Amino acid sequence: GAGVSQSPSNKVTEKGKDVELRCDPISGHTALYWYRQSLGQGLEFLIYFQGNSAPDKSGLPSDRFSAERTGGSVSTLTIQRTQQEDSAVYLCASRSSAGTSGSYEQYFGPGTRLTVT
Amino acid sequence: QKEVEQNSGPLSVPEGAIASLNCTYSDRGSQSFFWYRQYSGKSPELIMFIYSNGDKEDGRFTAQLNKASQYVSLLIRDSQPSDSATYLCAVILSGSARQLTFGSGTQLTVLP
Repeated sequence: GAGVSQSPSNKVTEKGKDVELRCDPISGHTALYWYRQSLGQGLEFLIYFQGNSAPDKSGLPSDRFSAERTGGSVSTLTIQRTQQEDSAVYLCASRSSAGTSGSYEQYFGPGTRLTVT
Repeated sequence: QKEVEQNSGPLSVPEGAIASLNCTYSDRGSQSFFWYRQYSGKSPELIMFIYSNGDKEDGRFTAQLNKASQYVSLLIRDSQPSDSATYLCAVILSGSARQLTFGSGTQLTVLP
């Protein structure tokens, strides 16, 4: 079946502009995660959505970052007033129902490479 | 101390040899462990997961978990040049929202 999809694959933006990144999880997966991968910081967690519960935003680096998930499926990560340090690959991952048979495997999308100039 | 630690490498092995990748973690309550493979310019691909002490085999890959020693490893038998990639160890820490905490990765090169 189809995997996690993300768009755009690449985004170049000027410092100070807002950007929106989209993630479409694997069909039927209720959990959705955003991560960021940069050279200096490795792969780090940003935010987690599980069904209709309030998201876990504990990984968001600043209040310029926000995310929403509509209808329990597609998610959008928004970065306002982008800074050069926001340049990274933004990865989305999804997982099937939490804790079902101890199933915690996450599957990643291809990522969005964000470059802030 | 980092929560998940890996030798950054690079690790080079000849084709056909066994590649051994190691990972230690600091949270004794961790229960779920994963190995991802990441080719240059690509996203991480899940290749193994292990939740119980002992060994888990899948084809040429074996994951080994020792919770008492807080140690997880990945063995790749009959290594192929196509196995050349960065291997990321990931752990779900206790008390977390089941997000993955990653090590910095080990770069593996399989020499033909």
